Formats: sequence, structure tokens, C-alpha cells
Amino acid sequence: DTEVTQTPKHLVMGMTNKKSLKCEQHMGHRAMYWYKQKAKKPPELMFVYSYEKLSINESVPSRFSPECPNSSLLNLHLHALQPEDSALYLCASSQKNSGWRLAGSFDTQYFGPGTRLTVL
Amino acid sequence: AQTVTQSQPEMSVQEAETVTLSCTYDTSESDYYLFWYKQPPSRQMILVIRQEAYKQQNATENRFSVNFQKAAKSFSLKISDSQLGDAAMYFCAYRSAEIQGAQKLVFGQGTRLTINP
Repeated sequence: DTEVTQTPKHLVMGMTNKKSLKCEQHMGHRAMYWYKQKAKKPPELMFVYSYEKLSINESVPSRFSPECPNSSLLNLHLHALQPEDSALYLCASSQKNSGWRLAGSFDTQYFGPGTRLTVL
Repeated sequence: AQTVTQSQPEMSVQEAETVTLSCTYDTSESDYYLFWYKQPPSRQMILVIRQEAYKQQNATENRFSVNFQKAAKSFSLKISDSQLGDAAMYFCAYRSAEIQGAQKLVFGQGTRLTINP
């Protein structure tokens, strides 16, 4: 099973609202990722959590605040967003490599269905 | 830094025919992964096929196969017996296997594939 779930599917919010996106996986993966994708463009990495610790922040504005409460769950808290933040937000997860591969490296990323965010 | 190039923004193919999508990449690393992901209008990024750089044998998954040319840094995707459900945006992606920790995927710009009935 390679399922990553995301809620909600769609979200419309005003610039003064606070909302959260949720991502969940039950595959025992220890790395989780947030990507932002604009129309007709590839996904852009925002954050990476590795063993529930933030390991990569791609200089994302502070109005996006990630949280990893446990190894299965990843949240993205949104506050004071701008209309240009409207996009598809994708979550992904990956498992630790086993065997001879570099210790601490991770394998294939599996994506959730995304949340379509519209900021008015 | 690694880069991935997909030189065909759009392609179309007749149903039941074969189509090949191109991807080239640039890296100085010797160990890495290459992926093809499919993103249909439903938006979900679906893994199509995966290749590990140390494996000389080309990966295959049912109707999908790759032509991996490591020296040429080329990684093309062949779809045989195209079906209407194959219509999607296809992204080629690279990931290092030489760096500790979870790393980002480096994506190409995508190729939009249309299947003509």
C-alpha cells in the first residue's frame, strides 16, 4: 500500500484567515514533504521532515508553518496568505533506504492527491 | 546542481500506438535515482517507473519502459499500446542517492501527453 491522504481536497480562504492542511500516511515512512505546484509547472519543494524533525526549509515565507506531530502526520498551517499563494499543495512521503545504500538516505517519494488552495 | 530537461512541452499519439517521451539530466554524481511521474487532470502525482543509476538493465512496468543511457545522461519513457487513461502531464525527476537525509526531487518542466481516440 502506497497511500498518502490529504485533507481538505479544496480550500478557499481570505487573506486574514487561519487554516491548516493535513497529510497522513500509514506506511511507516520516516520522511515527509510539502510541495507547492502552480498550474502547468512542476512541484516546488517547501519543507522536508525527517524523523519528525524539520530538515529542509526552502526559504518559505513564515506565513506557512509546518508541523509534524508524529511520524504519520504532517500539517501545514496557513496564516495571512496572499492571492499568489493560491496553488495545489502536495504532500509526499518516503521510506528509509535499507541494505547497502547510504545510511540515512531515503527512497522513492509517494504523493498524496493534493489540496487545491484559493486565496481571495 | 542537478538539472532535468524535458524538451517536448506537448506530445500527442493515437490510441494503441507507441510514444516516447524524452528526458535528459545533468549531474556529476554516479549514484542516483530517476523517476517518471504522471499527473492526470485529477492532480495526483502517480509514480510510473523508477530507475536506479547503478542498474544497467532498463526498468519496465507493464506497458511502460525506459531507455536509460547513463553515459549520455538520457532517460526516456516509452509507452506502448497507448490508452486514453494515459493522457496526463508527465514529469521526469532526479534524486541523489549520495546525500544523507531526505532530499528533494529535481523535476523537469513536464510533457503534456494527449491520446487521440
